[in-house]
Amino acid sequence: KAGVTQTPRYLIKTRGQQVTLSCSPISGHRSVSWYQQTPGQGLQFLFEYFSETQRNKGNFPGRFSGRQFSNSRSEMNVSTLELGDSALYLCASRRDRGLREKLFFGSGTQLSVL
Amino acid sequence: GESVGLHLPTLSVQEGDNSIINCAYSNSASDYFIWYKQESGKGPQFIIDIRSNMDKRQGQRVTVLLNKTVKHLSLQIAATQPGDSAVYFCAEISQGGSEKLVFGKGTKLTVNP
Repeated sequence: KAGVTQTPRYLIKTRGQQVTLSCSPISGHRSVSWYQQTPGQGLQFLFEYFSETQRNKGNFPGRFSGRQFSNSRSEMNVSTLELGDSALYLCASRRDRGLREKLFFGSGTQLSVL
Repeated sequence: GESVGLHLPTLSVQEGDNSIINCAYSNSASDYFIWYKQESGKGPQFIIDIRSNMDKRQGQRVTVLLNKTVKHLSLQIAATQPGDSAVYFCAEISQGGSEKLVFGKGTKLTVNP
């Protein structure tokens, strides 16, 4: 069974640009969550999608958005990139919505904003 | 701020020794705790979990201890191996209002051969 797949693996952008990251969850998993990981702040929750609807959101500005498709695949978008957006963006999937369901992470997309 | 934190950011042990990674939490309403392992270049991987109605849970070479009195969580790794070198995160699910999964900052474990 394939794990959580994130593309691209690495991305370099400049300030002001926008970026779209993609995530394919484990087959059969309907919940997809996104996290931002930086050395200073650690793992911070961005948002969770389930059945194509955003169910929960972290404390990030509106420049961070996402969506989920009918096949559970998800994308997140960051507009008007800032230097501080440089981070590892992790996608995680779980079979169902419950937080006590085991969470499976992808290897992440390393975003560098120059 | 984050309610889950760590006592030590780095830990270095000799191969074959036992490792103990600690975690403190401040939300007494948290009822579920998880340990994750993140190897270089990979995402976090589930190791073991424990519910607040337990004080100890054992897995393969790992044991998690929960002390609710002092709000402390620890992960013990027996006979540590080089493959155990990674960053270890504790996470909690807090109740009260909307539930959320909160991660600690992580402890980097280095196993010396």
